[in-house]
Amino acid sequence: GQQVMQIPQYQHVQEGEDFTTYCNSSTTLSNIQWYKQRPGGHPVFLIQLVKSGEVKKQKRLTFQFGEAKKNSSLHITATQTTDVGTYFCTQKAAGNKLTFGGGTRVLVKP
Amino acid sequence: DAGITQSPRYKITETGRQVTLMCHQTWSHSYMFWYRQDLGHGLRLIYYSAAADITDKGEVPDGYVVSRSKTENFPLTLESATRSQTSVYFCASRGGTENTEAFFGQGTRLTVV
Repeated sequence: GQQVMQIPQYQHVQEGEDFTTYCNSSTTLSNIQWYKQRPGGHPVFLIQLVKSGEVKKQKRLTFQFGEAKKNSSLHITATQTTDVGTYFCTQKAAGNKLTFGGGTRVLVKP
Repeated sequence: DAGITQSPRYKITETGRQVTLMCHQTWSHSYMFWYRQDLGHGLRLIYYSAAADITDKGEVPDGYVVSRSKTENFPLTLESATRSQTSVYFCASRGGTENTEAFFGQGTRLTVV
């Protein structure tokens, strides 16, 4: 089964508001990647975090890797309708399997 | 065009039939993956491959068969399709080092009736 858990599963956000989605692992991660899947589309790579405590920003998106490398977060400020989609975190499991968390589905209310 | 392509994009098949979903990538990526995505679920790994002639099971391999005779192709076969295999299937590939992103195909929407 999945070793990374994402919360929340669904996020309804008012346009203009901020929100955060979390990715939690029971084991230490060598790295973590985030992907976004627009409705009807395929997952697209957003970013990778490797170092403990690492923080990276992409415009209104801020990604953070926990100090213990067991969790990660994605914070979106001033949500826009273009942020609609499902956000996945991934981990490289044993044997180079690439497994995904369940995803956070983001819906934006205009 | 370079990239990763899946075919067909849409497929309707009958229960019990064999069906093969194709995946082709032009980057010579070492790793290739097959996922299924069901409504309300995330991406579940079916099979993956580290190189030609090397494949391994993922989280939900039952009812599926893969092969990888060439680096660029990674077909997924449903030996005897069941309605529970109705899903959207995504193929992905990535390079050989650990810190590389995965690239996904457009997906194949399979309906088993």
